[in-house]
Amino acid sequence: QVQLVQSGGEVKKPGASVKVSCKASGYSFTSYGITWVRQAPGQGLEWMGWINTYNGHTNSAQKLQDRVTMTTDRSTSTAYMELRSLRSDDTAVYYCARKDIGGAWFDPWGQGTLVTVSS
Amino acid sequence: QSDLTQPASVSGAPGQSITISCTGTNSDVGTYDLVSWYQQHPGKVPKLMIYEGSKRPSGVSHRFSGSKSGNTASLTISGLQAEDEAVYFCCSYAGRSTYVFGTGTKVTVL
Repeated sequence: QVQLVQSGGEVKKPGASVKVSCKASGYSFTSYGITWVRQAPGQGLEWMGWINTYNGHTNSAQKLQDRVTMTTDRSTSTAYMELRSLRSDDTAVYYCARKDIGGAWFDPWGQGTLVTVSS
Repeated sequence: QSDLTQPASVSGAPGQSITISCTGTNSDVGTYDLVSWYQQHPGKVPKLMIYEGSKRPSGVSHRFSGSKSGNTASLTISGLQAEDEAVYFCCSYAGRSTYVFGTGTKVTVL
């Protein structure tokens, strides 16, 4: 079955970077994109960006453009999201989800990775 | 890019129908028929319920339906059941390969 498995939780200090992985299985990795969404504790969903796994092109939310990098390793069907210059308000659960390259739906989602930013 | 506006909460009795609105602008909901809806139970991962405005993925109950009028998309749940109690988020394509989520609506089954 289609599945996305993310890396484990992280605790980082302000100013540090975090890199979250998302390993896909059960489908052709390069036939779909991967999108990243985060959810701060008790808050809503925030779209962060997505990567076209076929050609590597990325698009990200304007507020995060300077700090986020999305990449893939096609040999292992794994997507990565790196967020730099972490602040306390970056504390959230980070999700990856499969994205229809030509469409606008996200399914399924990974289990989520809690990133805690604290001094 | 501002979040799409959803009511904070909607409630209904078992068996009733409820509708959740998702209001955007001419830059997102009003221009593109690319609204999706996600259900999230407490502590769980979001689940796709509707895509491209009104299409249901395989396995999603026919009690869930989507529509759009102008800058507002809507999700209707008919025959409300206890298991429908969750938070629902809309999401719209916003041009230039970007997306925006709604603020989320907590559905309570009375």
